[in-house]
Order: sequence, then C-alpha cells, then structure tokens
Amino acid sequence: GAGVSQSPSNKVTEKGKDVELRCDPISGHTALYWYRQRLGQGLEFLIYFQGNSAPDKSGLPSDRFSAERTGESVSTLTIQRTQQEDSAVYLCASSLAGPYNEQFFGPGTRLTVL
Amino acid sequence: SQQGEEDPQALSIQEGENATMNCSYKTSINNLQWYRQNSGRGLVHLILIRSNEREKHSGRLRVTLDTSKKSSSLLITASRAADTASYFCATDGGFKTIFGAGTRLFVKA
Repeated sequence: GAGVSQSPSNKVTEKGKDVELRCDPISGHTALYWYRQRLGQGLEFLIYFQGNSAPDKSGLPSDRFSAERTGESVSTLTIQRTQQEDSAVYLCASSLAGPYNEQFFGPGTRLTVL
Repeated sequence: SQQGEEDPQALSIQEGENATMNCSYKTSINNLQWYRQNSGRGLVHLILIRSNEREKHSGRLRVTLDTSKKSSSLLITASRAADTASYFCATDGGFKTIFGAGTRLFVKA
C-alpha cells in the first residue's frame, strides 16, 4: 500500500517568504508527527497530532511555525517569514493511534532558504 | 534537550564485524525504538523494545534494554556494506517520540 508522502520534495525560497509543506499520512493512521532534521543531526520534534485531540505543539521553535491537520488526513506545516536557519529537511511520520507505535516516515521536504 | 543520546557518534568497521551502538536516556519510558536512516530508504523502523523486556532479536539485530541504567544497546552482527547508515534510538516522552542525535555507521567492504 501507499506510504507517507510529502510534497514538495525540494523547496528553495528567499528569506522572508512563507512556505507550506504538505504531508499525506498512511490511511488509517490517526497519529501524525512533524520533525526537522538539520544536516548531519538528529530529528527535532516539532508537532504531534492524534485524532481530534489538541495537537502537541511543544516542539515548534517559534511562532513563525504552525501546522494544521484536517481530521485524520493531510497535514500542512507552514513557516512564515522564513530565515536561513530554517533550512533543513522536514520529515513527516504517521502511526497507528498513540505515540508508542512504529512510525512510518515520508521522504521529507528539503527546504533551502537563501 | 534530547531524551535519547547515542554513542559513539560515528563508527567505522569492516564487513563481517559486529557493530554495537548505545543509547542513554533521561526519564522513565514505556518503550524504546531503534530506527535506521540512509539515503536510499530514508528513515525506517528497526525494532521496538518495551520497558518490561530486557532483550529482543530481529534477524541480525539484537537490542538490549536496562531500565535501571536508562540505557539500550543495538548490536548488528556480521555487518554488511548495506548496513552503512545512521542509527537513532527513540524514546517516548509523554505523548511524543524523542529521537537522539544518532550513530553514523560505516561498514567497509
């Protein structure tokens, strides 16, 4: 079956512009995560959605970052007024209900802010 | 700060040798997972071990968990060049999974 998909795969933008990244989770997965991975580093948790519960936004680095998810489907991560330090790969993952299950990762979106 | 931290940061071995990576964490957990990331397949789940388990095997992988020391190890036996990747441990921190910085494994053919 289809895995987690993300779009675009690559995004180059100018400093100060807004960007929107999309994640399509595996059908039936109620949990969805966004992570940021800078070059050569580990995964930095950004936000977690579980069903219709309020999302855990504790990892968002600033108020320029926001994310939405409609029900148990697509999620978008928006970065406003991008900065060069936002350059990274943004990974999305989904899993069955709850945080204790295997996460399935998408291929990521590589964001470059010039 | 990150919950899980792996060591070593990098490891280079010959094909056929065993590779051992360690993970330490700070707070109580319900489970610990290991993931592998390489350029070809992205991030994939390898194995999950629950807090009431001490050891788990999957093919050439062996994971141990010592909750008293808050540590886990991942052993890859008879390594292959295809095992070259970064390996991450991930622990549950409340309602989110927290990843360490990873161990970069290079297996020389």
